[in-house]
Amino acid sequence: EAGVTQFPSHSVIEKGQTVTLRCDPISGHDNLYWYRRVMGKEIKFLLHFVKESKQDESGMPNNRFLAERTGGTYSTLKVQPAELEDSGVYFCASSQHNNSPLHFGNGTRLTVT
Amino acid sequence: DAKTTQPNSMESNEEEPVHLPCNHSTISGTDYIHWYRQLPSQGPEYVIHGLTSNVNNRMASLAIAEDRKSSTLILHRATLRDAAVYYCILRSFQGAQKLVFGQGTRLTINP
Repeated sequence: EAGVTQFPSHSVIEKGQTVTLRCDPISGHDNLYWYRRVMGKEIKFLLHFVKESKQDESGMPNNRFLAERTGGTYSTLKVQPAELEDSGVYFCASSQHNNSPLHFGNGTRLTVT
Repeated sequence: DAKTTQPNSMESNEEEPVHLPCNHSTISGTDYIHWYRQLPSQGPEYVIHGLTSNVNNRMASLAIAEDRKSSTLILHRATLRDAAVYYCILRSFQGAQKLVFGQGTRLTINP
């Protein structure tokens, strides 16, 4: 089966611009998660979708970040406007059931200059 | 979120067994012990998980202490491809299902 895919793999934007990251989970996986690692720190949870509903968005840093999962399939994470501290690697993961292991994509490396 | 403690780094030789320890003294009865690893330039990868009994799969074995306050991930014959950061994570089967990553253990395998 195809794994979790993320697009783009790299993105370089200027401060103040907008970037949209996309995640395609494994087909049939209802649970979709976003994580990120910034500035060499630990991987941090951002939010969790169950189908198209936000189950837990406690990790979203501020209102410049907007995640959507219309139709319960792929998800997008938009950063608007981007700031320098948003640079890092953004990971998406999916799981079939609530307690199933997570399958991660290889991440999108975002650089804000 | 329940916390785990792991050594920052470990080193081993190829084709030898590796024992990666994890302390989780504040584990609750609803917490599973999960292990993930992250190879260079990749996302985290699930390795194994368990609740009380020791577990084996094709990748590794998980030995869980009787009081569940510590566990050990065992790689039976390490290869160079096992060089990665290994994360020990407690994940409750109740409530929030998110994973909370710590610093992990950076495993280096010498040829």
